[in-house]
Amino acid sequence: SYELTQPPSVSVSPGQTAIITCSGDKLGERYTCWYQQKPGQSPVLVIYQDTKRPSGIPERFSGSNSGNTATLTISGTQAMDDADYFCQAWDSSTAWVFGGGTKLTVL
Amino acid sequence: EVQLVESGGGLVQPGGSLRLSCEASAVTFSSYWMSWVRQAPGKGLEWVANIKEDGREKNYVDSVKGRFTISRDNAKNSLYLQMNSLRAEDTAVYYCAREGNTGDGWDYWGQGTLVTVSS
Repeated sequence: SYELTQPPSVSVSPGQTAIITCSGDKLGERYTCWYQQKPGQSPVLVIYQDTKRPSGIPERFSGSNSGNTATLTISGTQAMDDADYFCQAWDSSTAWVFGGGTKLTVL
Repeated sequence: EVQLVESGGGLVQPGGSLRLSCEASAVTFSSYWMSWVRQAPGKGLEWVANIKEDGREKNYVDSVKGRFTISRDNAKNSLYLQMNSLRAEDTAVYYCAREGNTGDGWDYWGQGTLVTVSS
């Protein structure tokens, strides 16, 4: 079965750049999406098709995907970005797969 | 505004059954694949099942195959998840979500409904 691996936690100071990775076999050959989830809330799509931002998502959120790793980058991180982040991809044998999630702490 | 509203969660004993519902409003429900995703307490997201626009194709995660059944009624803008032979490990918040086109991500999620399997 296909698996996506994320670091359990990432810490960043306000105003700095947060980088969250998602690894999977030949992930760069699949579209990756990213979701933000705050405590007690439903997930929110922040990146789709590897690099695109839905309307309403701040420009400080960006994504990339190449080789075996997709990356979510948050530039000029703000306190409101403190949340869990999940990557997602489709695999023909496993269907939808989520990464285990990364807790971003803005210190 | 598009809304997905889940219902049907609750406390059930191991081996019991529940039927979850997800009603969509202000959205072209019948034009999209729909999914159920669950999140155990303090854990990550786990995709459970999805269903094609016309209901003719369904997929399930291995752990629920043979126990859960996804269905939809496009006339009622509703998605369902029939859960049988429930186990303690099925305890989770269950979300319904609208799938976008290939690579587009899931743009709409419900608020979730809690299923607790315990004696």
